[in-house]
Formats: sequence, structure tokens, C-alpha cells
Amino acid sequence: DIQMTQTTSSLSASLGDRVTISCSASQGISNYLNWYQQKPDGTVKLLIYYTSSLHSGVPSRFSGSGSGTDYSLTISNLEPEDIATYYCQQYSKLPWTFGGGTKLEIK
Amino acid sequence: QVTLKESGPGILKPSQTLSLTCSFSGFSLSTSGMGVGWIRQPSGKGLEWLAHIWWDDDKYYNPSLKSQLTISKDTSRNQVFLKITSVDTADTATYYCARRADSSGAMDYWGQGTSVTVSS
Repeated sequence: DIQMTQTTSSLSASLGDRVTISCSASQGISNYLNWYQQKPDGTVKLLIYYTSSLHSGVPSRFSGSGSGTDYSLTISNLEPEDIATYYCQQYSKLPWTFGGGTKLEIK
Repeated sequence: QVTLKESGPGILKPSQTLSLTCSFSGFSLSTSGMGVGWIRQPSGKGLEWLAHIWWDDDKYYNPSLKSQLTISKDTSRNQVFLKITSVDTADTATYYCARRADSSGAMDYWGQGTSVTVSS
């Protein structure tokens, strides 16, 4: 299985900050990488697919980048509703696997 | 508007079979490239992909659980089902279903999740 590692399990930032969340794959995944947001009530939403494509309705302050084994999600101008846990997920090979999550909190 | 909603027994005993239903609207599983899958999350832990079924009835399973899992669908009723046999306490989790369109490669719409507790 491809292991997805999010080395930062929690992150504290201030409103208006630019935040970057990292994700690393145990082998190259050819940009087959998605990002999800899980709110404290459990609601899960897709943010970014195929490394950098913004899902419909997602604010433009979210962006994704990366290649090979290293990927990142950037939130520019952090807003209160961005408080959530963020997960990366690879779909290069079965089984599809998720990172352990990065919990974002407001300072 | 795409919506999905999971339903399940809430609580069951070890060794029983867990049966989950995902009822959806806003799309059809007869559409080429469309699929629905299941993901679970133990309390306070991360997400684990379990299984996926495609419009053409092709099925994918997580090998770590494959012997216990069966995914199926009723296209006419817009429902997808997951059975997990011989459950134990480690199967206690919130179970989500999600749509995956081949065009994006992502699980683009998720249900709210249904909580399942396995306890004697």
C-alpha cells in the first residue's frame, strides 16, 4: 500500500494568515492526489482534486501544488470557517489511502 | 443537487454482519464513469477507504478487509449497499459513503456519515 504522511498533525494560525499543509507519499503518485476538509461536526468536503484543480464551489483561497511524492495545500487569508481537519488522499494505486490528517486551529 | 445519506443498525454485537445502505440523489449509477464507495473513521482517528462500486458493476475492495466486505448496488432505487461480516470492536466507526466520478478521480460528494458501534 502507498503510505500517505502528513507530518504536522495540528497547526495553529491567525485569521488572515497564509497556511500550508504538507503531505508526502511513500512512492511517486503522478499527481493523483486529492485534498478533503472535515469540519468538527464530521462533514467531509472535497477541496482539490488531481493536485491542483479546485472543486466546484470551493473558495479560491484554497490551492494545491506538488509533484512526485510531495504535495501541499495552501490556504491564503485564513477565515474562521476554515477551522477543520485536512486530509490528503492518493488514487494512483489501490487501495486508495489517506494521510493521517492535519487539524487546523485558530490562535 | 447531489446528496448521499447513509443508514445502518447503530449498534450490533461481535461476530454479526453489518449491513449499511447509501441512498443518493442528483446522479445516476447507470452513468458511465460514475461510482460510489464507502469510507470509515473510528472516533478520533483518520479515514480508511473500504470499497467502491462502478456504474458497470466493477468492484474494488481494500485488501486488508476484502474477505469481510461485499459491495452491491440497486441502480433503479439509487442505493449502494455494504456488508461487513464477522465484525468486532475494531469495526466501531462512523461510516461514510461518497460519490466518485471518473472525470475527477476524487470522492466529490460525501454523506453525513452513520455511526456504528460493535459491543457485546
